Parts: sequence; structure tokens; C-alpha cells
Amino acid sequence: AAGVIQSPRHLIKEKRETATLKCYPIPRHDTVYWYQQGPGQDPQFLISFYEKMQSDKGSIPDRFSAQQFSDYHSELNMSSLELGDSALYFCASRQSGRYEQFFGPGTRLTVL
Amino acid sequence: AQKITQTQPGMFVQEKEAVTLDCTYDTSDQSYGLFWYKQPSSGEMIFLIYQGSYDEQNATEGRYSLNFQKARKSANLVISASQLGDSAMYFCAMREGRASQGGSEKLVFGKGMKLTVNP
Repeated sequence: AAGVIQSPRHLIKEKRETATLKCYPIPRHDTVYWYQQGPGQDPQFLISFYEKMQSDKGSIPDRFSAQQFSDYHSELNMSSLELGDSALYFCASRQSGRYEQFFGPGTRLTVL
Repeated sequence: AQKITQTQPGMFVQEKEAVTLDCTYDTSDQSYGLFWYKQPSSGEMIFLIYQGSYDEQNATEGRYSLNFQKARKSANLVISASQLGDSAMYFCAMREGRASQGGSEKLVFGKGMKLTVNP
């Protein structure tokens, strides 16, 4: 069965640089979520999209932005990276009418 | 705000034995749902099981079952016949914000607990 695809899987950036994380949801899933998991922490909700519109916003810094495109893939753009942004970033997708959220393998971002 | 509590930081179990992972929750909503996810050391977040608040029967998925006690606000995960590959972090989560009311159904997670299965 198709799963959520995230790219890149690993990313190393310097402070103040920018990063773009990509997410390709499971086919026919119309809702995408982004979560951030710091070392030894539980995942924290950042932002979500339903049918290409932002549906909810959590503890996402103003330096971050995201969007969902016409093909339902989503991108998380992160600017002015800080050391504290080092984390595992998950994308999850859900199909309307269902509750299960399926997570991608995550992008591990390291900011040096 | 909803809250998920996982009080066991870690557990050890012998291979082939059953184990129960505890999760309690707090919500004022009548309609809610609870999830369990497994996170191995490789980092991926694997969906295990889901229980809706109105589901009359406890959810089961293979070796996983959810002991849902609504009055006690607990949703414990039971793993039968533990395997070495079950060693991982386990997170309990609750969905928040109902889609029918314009919400996103985002997940709120507990702090997780580490399960180690010994041979």
C-alpha cells in the first residue's frame, strides 16, 4: 500500500539558512498535517491543510510557512534557521471521513 | 484543552508475554478519538490502532487491542505475545478539533513510553 512520502530524509543546514521540506500524501488523502518532534519529545502540531487551504495552525514560528498544492503535496518552508529548529519533522495525511492519520518517515533536520 | 497522560516512562517484558501500556486522557468533548502509535529507534511513526468515543466495542488490530474504559478515561494498549520487534517508543494521542465543526482533527500526543522486549 502507498504511504506518505517525505523528502529529503535528512537535511543539514547552517544557522540563518533556509530549508524546504516536501510531503506527498497517500493518494486520495485530502488533509495534510505537519508535526515537529524535538529530541526526546512528543510530536507537536505545526499546521494543517484541507483541500489546499490552511485548516489549522499550531505552535509554528513566524519564520516557517507552508502550503498545499493542487496535486495535494505540501511543502514546509523554514527560514532564518536556528539551532532549536533541529528536530524530526513529520508529515501525516488523512482521508476525509476517516480519522486515522498516517505518518511519513520524517525529515531529520540538523541545524549547525 | 485536551491532555494525554502516559505515566510509565519505560517497561520491560519477556518475549511472548502480554503487556499493557497505560494511557489516560482528559477532555470535555463527547466525541473524541484515541490513537496509539509506535516509534522504533529508526524514527518513523507507525499507526497501530484507533478507538472512537462512540465505538461500542474495543478496537483490535492483530496482536494489538485497546482496553477502552470511558468512565475512567483510560485507553490502554494491550500487546499480546510480545516480539523482539515490539521494542520501541509508544505514543498515545487524541484527535482535537472536529472536522464537522471546522476543526482539523489534529493530534495531541502524550509523552510516550519506552517498551523493551527481552529474549
